[in-house]
Amino acid sequence: EVQLVESGGGLVQPGGSLRLSCTASGFTFSNYWMTWVRQAPGKGLEWVANIKQDGSQKYYVGSVKGRFSISRDNAKNSLFLQMSSLRAEDTAVYYCARDPCGGDCYSDYFDSWGQGTLVTVSS
Amino acid sequence: DIQMTQSPSSLSASVGDRVTITCRASQSIYSHLNWYQQKPGKAPKLLIYAASSLQSGVPSRFSGSGSGTEFTLTISSLQPEDFATYYCQQSYRTPPITFGQGTRLEIK
Repeated sequence: EVQLVESGGGLVQPGGSLRLSCTASGFTFSNYWMTWVRQAPGKGLEWVANIKQDGSQKYYVGSVKGRFSISRDNAKNSLFLQMSSLRAEDTAVYYCARDPCGGDCYSDYFDSWGQGTLVTVSS
Repeated sequence: DIQMTQSPSSLSASVGDRVTITCRASQSIYSHLNWYQQKPGKAPKLLIYAASSLQSGVPSRFSGSGSGTEFTLTISSLQPEDFATYYCQQSYRTPPITFGQGTRLEIK
Protein backbone atom coordinates (compact mmCIF):
# COMPACT_ATOMS: atom_id res chain seq x y z
CA GLU A 1 0.00 0.00 0.00
CA VAL A 2 1.32 3.42 -0.96
CA GLN A 3 1.78 5.67 2.06
CA LEU A 4 2.97 9.25 2.28
CA VAL A 5 3.42 10.83 5.69
CA GLU A 6 4.23 14.53 6.05
CA SER A 7 5.82 16.12 9.08
CA GLY A 8 7.52 19.33 10.14
CA GLY A 9 4.64 21.77 10.12
CA GLY A 10 4.01 24.24 12.90
CA LEU A 11 3.80 27.88 13.89
CA VAL A 12 6.52 30.17 12.55
CA GLN A 13 6.95 33.94 12.58
CA PRO A 14 6.91 35.96 9.37
CA GLY A 15 10.36 35.91 7.81
CA GLY A 16 11.17 32.59 9.46
CA SER A 17 12.06 29.21 8.03
CA LEU A 18 10.67 25.70 8.23
CA ARG A 19 11.54 22.36 6.67
CA LEU A 20 8.81 19.92 5.76
CA SER A 21 9.42 16.21 5.25
CA CYS A 22 7.43 13.48 3.53
CA THR A 23 8.30 9.84 4.14
CA ALA A 24 7.17 7.38 1.50
CA SER A 25 6.53 3.65 1.74
CA GLY A 26 4.84 0.92 -0.26
CA PHE A 27 6.46 1.79 -3.60
CA THR A 28 9.86 2.37 -5.19
CA PHE A 29 10.22 6.04 -4.30
CA SER A 30 13.13 6.67 -6.65
CA ASN A 31 10.99 5.84 -9.70
CA TYR A 32 8.50 8.69 -9.29
CA TRP A 33 8.24 12.44 -9.68
CA MET A 34 7.05 13.94 -6.40
CA THR A 35 5.14 17.12 -5.68
CA TRP A 36 4.11 19.51 -2.93
CA VAL A 37 0.57 20.96 -3.06
CA ARG A 38 -0.81 23.38 -0.51
CA GLN A 39 -4.24 24.52 0.62
CA ALA A 40 -4.80 27.73 2.55
CA PRO A 41 -7.56 27.56 5.18
CA GLY A 42 -10.94 27.44 3.46
CA LYS A 43 -9.35 27.83 0.03
CA GLY A 44 -8.56 25.68 -3.00
CA LEU A 45 -5.57 23.61 -4.00
CA GLU A 46 -2.33 25.20 -5.20
CA TRP A 47 0.59 23.33 -6.73
CA VAL A 48 3.84 24.46 -5.08
CA ALA A 49 6.75 22.49 -6.51
CA ASN A 50 7.79 19.19 -8.03
CA ILE A 51 10.99 17.22 -8.47
CA LYS A 52 12.19 14.59 -10.90
CA GLN A 53 13.08 11.07 -9.86
CA ASP A 54 16.81 11.79 -9.57
CA GLY A 55 16.41 15.36 -8.34
CA SER A 56 17.90 16.82 -11.52
CA GLN A 57 14.80 18.87 -12.41
CA LYS A 58 12.80 21.03 -10.02
CA TYR A 59 9.95 23.43 -10.71
CA TYR A 60 8.17 25.99 -8.56
CA VAL A 61 5.07 28.15 -8.61
CA GLY A 62 6.01 31.78 -9.08
CA SER A 63 4.99 32.93 -5.60
CA VAL A 64 7.58 30.70 -3.89
CA LYS A 65 10.51 30.92 -6.31
CA GLY A 66 13.66 31.96 -4.51
CA ARG A 67 12.12 31.24 -1.11
CA PHE A 68 11.27 27.52 -1.18
CA SER A 69 13.50 24.63 -2.19
CA ILE A 70 12.34 21.09 -2.96
CA SER A 71 14.70 18.16 -2.55
CA ARG A 72 14.66 14.42 -2.03
CA ASP A 73 16.74 11.62 -0.53
CA ASN A 74 15.98 8.45 -2.44
CA ALA A 75 18.05 6.34 -0.06
CA LYS A 76 15.73 7.41 2.77
CA ASN A 77 12.51 7.47 0.70
CA SER A 78 12.03 11.08 1.69
CA LEU A 79 10.88 14.30 0.09
CA PHE A 80 11.59 17.72 1.58
CA LEU A 81 10.44 21.31 1.26
CA GLN A 82 12.73 23.94 2.73
CA MET A 83 10.74 27.13 3.22
CA SER A 84 12.33 30.46 4.07
CA SER A 85 11.26 34.11 4.19
CA LEU A 86 7.83 32.84 5.13
CA ARG A 87 4.83 35.12 4.75
CA ALA A 88 1.33 35.07 6.18
CA GLU A 89 0.04 33.98 2.78
CA ASP A 90 2.12 30.79 3.01
CA THR A 91 -0.18 29.60 5.81
CA ALA A 92 -1.68 26.35 4.54
CA VAL A 93 -1.87 22.62 4.83
CA TYR A 94 0.99 21.21 2.76
CA TYR A 95 0.49 17.86 1.05
CA CYS A 96 3.05 15.70 -0.65
CA ALA A 97 1.76 13.77 -3.62
CA ARG A 98 2.99 11.22 -6.12
CA ASP A 99 2.88 11.40 -9.91
CA PRO A 100 1.57 7.98 -11.02
CA CYS A 101 4.05 7.53 -13.86
CA GLY A 102 6.83 5.29 -12.58
CA GLY A 103 9.96 5.29 -14.68
CA ASP A 104 11.41 7.80 -17.13
CA CYS A 105 8.15 9.68 -17.55
CA TYR A 106 5.75 12.04 -15.85
CA SER A 107 2.02 12.64 -15.91
CA ASP A 108 1.64 15.83 -13.88
CA TYR A 109 -1.32 14.59 -11.91
CA PHE A 110 -1.41 12.85 -8.54
CA ASP A 111 -2.64 9.42 -7.58
CA SER A 112 -1.48 9.28 -3.96
CA TRP A 113 -1.48 11.98 -1.30
CA GLY A 114 -0.31 12.29 2.28
CA GLN A 115 -2.56 13.51 5.06
CA GLY A 116 -0.96 16.96 5.07
CA THR A 117 0.92 19.07 7.60
CA LEU A 118 -0.25 22.52 8.71
CA VAL A 119 2.08 25.50 8.45
CA THR A 120 0.95 28.67 10.20
CA VAL A 121 2.88 31.89 9.63
CA SER A 122 1.95 34.42 12.27
CA SER A 123 3.50 36.68 14.87
CA ASP B 1 -0.23 30.12 -17.17
CA ILE B 2 -3.38 28.16 -17.98
CA GLN B 3 -6.37 29.27 -15.91
CA MET B 4 -8.98 26.72 -14.91
CA THR B 5 -12.53 27.85 -14.11
CA GLN B 6 -15.17 25.60 -12.59
CA SER B 7 -18.90 26.10 -12.54
CA PRO B 8 -20.88 26.23 -10.46
CA SER B 9 -18.84 27.16 -7.38
CA SER B 10 -21.41 25.40 -5.23
CA LEU B 11 -24.28 23.09 -5.88
CA SER B 12 -27.10 21.60 -3.82
CA ALA B 13 -28.48 18.23 -4.81
CA SER B 14 -30.31 15.22 -3.40
CA VAL B 15 -29.34 11.58 -3.09
CA GLY B 16 -30.11 9.89 -6.38
CA ASP B 17 -29.72 13.04 -8.48
CA ARG B 18 -27.59 13.25 -11.59
CA VAL B 19 -25.03 16.02 -11.21
CA THR B 20 -22.70 17.69 -13.70
CA ILE B 21 -19.77 19.98 -12.90
CA THR B 22 -18.06 21.95 -15.64
CA CYS B 23 -14.41 22.95 -15.94
CA ARG B 24 -13.10 25.36 -18.57
CA ALA B 25 -9.49 25.97 -19.52
CA SER B 26 -8.18 29.33 -20.73
CA GLN B 27 -6.64 27.57 -23.76
CA SER B 28 -6.78 24.13 -25.25
CA ILE B 29 -5.40 21.41 -23.01
CA TYR B 30 -6.51 18.56 -25.30
CA SER B 31 -7.40 15.75 -22.87
CA HIS B 32 -4.93 16.64 -20.13
CA LEU B 33 -7.60 17.18 -17.48
CA ASN B 34 -7.95 15.46 -14.12
CA TRP B 35 -10.62 15.48 -11.40
CA TYR B 36 -10.26 15.13 -7.64
CA GLN B 37 -12.68 14.75 -4.75
CA GLN B 38 -11.90 16.24 -1.35
CA LYS B 39 -13.82 15.73 1.87
CA PRO B 40 -13.40 18.07 4.86
CA GLY B 41 -10.13 17.52 6.70
CA LYS B 42 -8.94 14.92 4.19
CA ALA B 43 -6.49 14.82 1.33
CA PRO B 44 -7.79 15.02 -2.24
CA LYS B 45 -8.53 11.77 -4.03
CA LEU B 46 -7.98 11.21 -7.75
CA LEU B 47 -11.22 10.30 -9.53
CA ILE B 48 -10.64 10.80 -13.26
CA TYR B 49 -7.45 11.30 -15.27
CA ALA B 50 -6.91 12.17 -18.93
CA ALA B 51 -10.41 13.65 -19.06
CA SER B 52 -12.32 10.36 -19.08
CA SER B 53 -10.28 7.54 -17.54
CA LEU B 54 -11.63 6.25 -14.25
CA GLN B 55 -9.00 5.81 -11.54
CA SER B 56 -8.83 2.30 -10.11
CA GLY B 57 -11.28 1.77 -7.28
CA VAL B 58 -13.50 4.73 -8.12
CA PRO B 59 -17.20 3.86 -8.52
CA SER B 60 -18.52 3.78 -12.06
CA ARG B 61 -21.18 6.39 -11.27
CA PHE B 62 -18.37 8.91 -11.77
CA SER B 63 -17.52 9.79 -15.37
CA GLY B 64 -15.61 12.49 -17.18
CA SER B 65 -15.84 13.88 -20.66
CA GLY B 66 -14.62 16.71 -22.85
CA SER B 67 -11.54 17.89 -24.70
CA GLY B 68 -9.97 21.14 -25.72
CA THR B 69 -11.23 23.79 -23.33
CA GLU B 70 -14.46 22.38 -21.88
CA PHE B 71 -14.81 19.38 -19.60
CA THR B 72 -17.46 17.84 -17.39
CA LEU B 73 -17.54 15.57 -14.37
CA THR B 74 -20.82 13.68 -14.02
CA ILE B 75 -22.10 11.72 -11.06
CA SER B 76 -24.93 9.58 -12.38
CA SER B 77 -26.74 8.91 -9.10
CA LEU B 78 -25.54 10.80 -6.06
CA GLN B 79 -24.73 8.79 -2.97
CA PRO B 80 -24.41 10.21 0.55
CA GLU B 81 -20.62 9.77 0.47
CA ASP B 82 -20.34 11.91 -2.67
CA PHE B 83 -21.02 15.19 -0.89
CA ALA B 84 -17.63 16.85 -1.05
CA THR B 85 -15.63 19.46 -2.96
CA TYR B 86 -14.47 18.63 -6.49
CA TYR B 87 -11.44 20.10 -8.26
CA CYS B 88 -10.28 19.94 -11.84
CA GLN B 89 -6.58 20.20 -12.69
CA GLN B 90 -4.73 20.63 -15.99
CA SER B 91 -1.59 18.67 -16.78
CA TYR B 92 -0.94 19.91 -20.31
CA ARG B 93 1.20 23.02 -20.17
CA THR B 94 3.32 22.77 -17.05
CA PRO B 95 4.78 24.21 -14.95
CA PRO B 96 2.77 25.49 -13.34
CA ILE B 97 0.25 22.76 -12.72
CA THR B 98 -3.05 24.55 -12.11
CA PHE B 99 -6.31 23.67 -10.40
CA GLY B 100 -9.82 25.01 -10.70
CA GLN B 101 -11.20 26.88 -7.71
CA GLY B 102 -13.38 23.97 -6.65
CA THR B 103 -17.07 23.07 -6.66
CA ARG B 104 -18.71 22.38 -3.32
CA LEU B 105 -21.47 19.77 -3.59
CA GLU B 106 -23.93 19.99 -0.72
CA ILE B 107 -26.98 18.05 0.36
CA LYS B 108 -30.28 19.70 -0.53
